[in-house]
Amino acid sequence: QKEVEQNSGPLSVPEGAIASLNCTYSDRGSQSFFWYRQYSGKSPELIMFIYSNGDKEDGRFTAQLNKASQYVSLLIRDSQPSDSATYLCAIPRAGSYQLTFGKGTKLSVIP
Amino acid sequence: GAVVSQHPSWVICKSGTSVKIECRSLDFQATTMFWYRQFPKQSLMLMATSNEGSKATYEQGVEKDKFLINHASLTLSTLTVTSAHPEDSSFYICSAEARSGTYEQYFGPGTRLTVT
Repeated sequence: QKEVEQNSGPLSVPEGAIASLNCTYSDRGSQSFFWYRQYSGKSPELIMFIYSNGDKEDGRFTAQLNKASQYVSLLIRDSQPSDSATYLCAIPRAGSYQLTFGKGTKLSVIP
Repeated sequence: GAVVSQHPSWVICKSGTSVKIECRSLDFQATTMFWYRQFPKQSLMLMATSNEGSKATYEQGVEKDKFLINHASLTLSTLTVTSAHPEDSSFYICSAEARSGTYEQYFGPGTRLTVT
């Protein structure tokens, strides 16, 4: 199993809907989880991080962490066309300062 | 806060020449910076980890003599692509850990390198 797995998409949702992006990971010892957004041709931007089981909300974004099932998800409420981007899940590499990134899920919000 | 800049934003160079890319943390000190490369429609690939005052740690398969990294201060890391070839054309992105030990990496805007 790869360390961080994401569905590559594309995931298409209508404007105003909830977009749900999922990420599974293999290292049970992972303690920190990050979501980055990357617009085409741009560098990644950190949008959320979560350390504890449960939900963490920030504006229209909610990160959900379930350590027992080894998945972390990102919900985007009231999706906007400007949310169209690739979303990258990242977790720290065991024993180092580096992050391991998933391949990303491409989200398309249809007006 | 946590702003990272890169310079230049794009560069075109001839095959065989060297190119230097600068990465600066503008509002924080970064003991550790990271250099990534991303080819079109592909995922981020970590090239090396840059530590202030010590040698960089390169990922497997990355030639350390070709991609020279210098982290001379807590706010500046440089990547020099030596003897560039067309296959080195890519999007080079640096990141820095804003608070040591948190793993929160903030990315620079990237440098698009084209080697002709």
